[in-house]
Amino acid sequence: DAGVIQSPRHEVTEMGQEVTLRCKPISGHDYLFWYRQTMMRGLELLIYFNNNVPIDDSGMPEDRFSAKMPNASFSTLKIQPSEPRDSAVYFCASKRTGGAEQYFGPGTRLTVT
Amino acid sequence: QKEVEQNSGPLSVPEGAIASLNCTYSDRGSQSFFWYRQYSGKSPELIMFIYSNGDKEDGRFTAQLNKASQYVSLLIRDSQPSDSATYLCAGGGGGNKLTFGTGTQLKVEL
Repeated sequence: DAGVIQSPRHEVTEMGQEVTLRCKPISGHDYLFWYRQTMMRGLELLIYFNNNVPIDDSGMPEDRFSAKMPNASFSTLKIQPSEPRDSAVYFCASKRTGGAEQYFGPGTRLTVT
Repeated sequence: QKEVEQNSGPLSVPEGAIASLNCTYSDRGSQSFFWYRQYSGKSPELIMFIYSNGDKEDGRFTAQLNKASQYVSLLIRDSQPSDSATYLCAGGGGGNKLTFGTGTQLKVEL
């Protein structure tokens, strides 16, 4: 079975540009999580969805960040406009109801210059 | 202050020794705890989770939870060079939201 799929794997962009990160969760999983990882702050939860509905977005740093899940097999995290401090690895993870484990995708390494 | 605290390390142990990784948490509402392993440049993967006070063993790994002291640990017996990675401790409040520590880097030396 395919795991969580993320694209792109690497993104380099200039400050002020819009960035869109994409995620396809594992089929049958009804929870989807977006995390950001930096050396200083570690792995931080940004937002999570259940059955395509945002449940908790308290970790979204500011209005420049937005996330959508239009259907059970696709989610996006958008940053507009991007800033150098957004540089990090962004992970998407999914899990099924009743399951303990969150399965992480390979991550997107974002560099904003 | 992060709700889950870990020593960043690196923790160096010789091959074959026991590695002891520790984690403290501040939220008494946390009910479940997870240990994830992350190799450099890779994504986290679950090693173990624990809900109840006491020990839980799985192969070479033992997770320990002490809710009174708000303390979680992971023991790795017979450490191997392939265990060299960063170990992330995470706490959950009963829902699906996890709070991660910043991780402890483990180095197993030949």
